[in-house]
Amino acid sequence: GQNIDQPTEMTATEGAIVQINCTYQTSGFNGLFWYQQHAGEAPTFLSYNVLDGLEEKGRFSSFLSRSKGYSYLLLKELQMKDSASYLCAPWGDSWGKFQFGAGTQVVVTP
Amino acid sequence: NAGVMQNPRHLVRRRGQEARLRCSPMKGHSHVYWYRQLPEEGLKFMVYLQKENIIDESGMPKERFSAEFPKEGPSILRIQQVVRGDSAAYFCASSPTDPWTGEENGYTFGSGTRLTVV
Repeated sequence: GQNIDQPTEMTATEGAIVQINCTYQTSGFNGLFWYQQHAGEAPTFLSYNVLDGLEEKGRFSSFLSRSKGYSYLLLKELQMKDSASYLCAPWGDSWGKFQFGAGTQVVVTP
Repeated sequence: NAGVMQNPRHLVRRRGQEARLRCSPMKGHSHVYWYRQLPEEGLKFMVYLQKENIIDESGMPKERFSAEFPKEGPSILRIQQVVRGDSAAYFCASSPTDPWTGEENGYTFGSGTRLTVV
């Protein structure tokens, strides 16, 4: 089985940086996905980490530590449009059968 | 290149009726996955299908729910005799391969069907 833990909500101001932590326990491990989901819309792919370390992609970066069962998503230079739910999804030993965390609702204020 | 298409976007059913949700995967994708999202909760895996095959249905409720992905046409999630607790957003995702090999659209979601049971 899988356990996924991430904060429920985070608030930050425009231009700031926010770090969303995710801890997980999985049966096997083949990588970890982060998705963004705006209210009422489809989750959209942000990042995939399979090796330890930081992957940077524009304003968004994702970090993974396999030994600690830990990942974070870093959002820099926050914009109002970044207000959304961010979902952590480790890929265990079964492809396709992702168990998503409940998501972290990020609220960006002016 | 159209993405994952789900219809209808919104569906209202009375208790006891049947609900049929459709999902057309992205062009070139042959694997389909269904998820359910209850209000204020995360996405919960339901079923993984390939053409004419159910690969993993461990997340499907034992009764009233079924899924298919025929050789021709969209994947269908069918809920018989709906109850109020079935009200949720149902998302479909598709992928081209098993497992994902790094492509950007390797696991792509549709916009979902919001089912309301009255």
